[in-house]
Amino acid sequence: GAVVSQHPSWVICKSGTSVKIECRSLDFQATTMFWYRQFPKQSLMLMATSNEGSKATYEQGVEKDKFLINHASLTLSTLTVTSAHPEDSSFYICSAYSNSRKDGGTDTQYFGPGTRLTVL
Amino acid sequence: AQSVSQHNHHVILSEAASLELGCNYSYGGTVNLFWYVQYPGQHLQLLLKYFSGDPLVKGIKGFEAEFIKSKFSFNLRKPSVQWSDTAEYFCAVKNSGGYQKVTFGIGTKLQVIP
Repeated sequence: GAVVSQHPSWVICKSGTSVKIECRSLDFQATTMFWYRQFPKQSLMLMATSNEGSKATYEQGVEKDKFLINHASLTLSTLTVTSAHPEDSSFYICSAYSNSRKDGGTDTQYFGPGTRLTVL
Repeated sequence: AQSVSQHNHHVILSEAASLELGCNYSYGGTVNLFWYVQYPGQHLQLLLKYFSGDPLVKGIKGFEAEFIKSKFSFNLRKPSVQWSDTAEYFCAVKNSGGYQKVTFGIGTKLQVIP
């Protein structure tokens, strides 16, 4: 089946530093990847849609200069949290869109395991 | 804009009890519907999905969901839960066709007591 990995799985950093999170589709090509943020006891909040070879589309209220997204290849998207602050501490999850016909010709998103970011 | 509401935020059941988790969405067009599960310490996994055809969808691990268009609902059911079903369940909806973004419900935490 479709597998999505994220690296690192957790990271602790000092306030003011930047952190890069990688999202990889391991066994399929993903022209579109999504980045979500999950707060405790809340649902996933879509931050941005990342399309290979083009600029990401950010949701309303998400600072594009703070959350830099790069989708340089069909299997890799990165999210960089720039000048991180404690309020950026959260669980970041990526998903990769697959339109493979292996699962009956229907499209779906496959999720990575998430990255826990703690900013001190 | 589409939205998803899950009525039960925390459900506690004994093993072998039947489960039904409610999910309602708001959107006037054609939708694709999903249920995802997140086991403790693990990532989101697709449980089942509805795109078209038979409104009763069967997923993994004995789960099923029924799409009732007139009620804008997509409730998740399982006749007999097991302790291993303890997890958080998310209902999600997207506009049909292409790479439309998925909107998630707030999630329902299910706790199954042995």
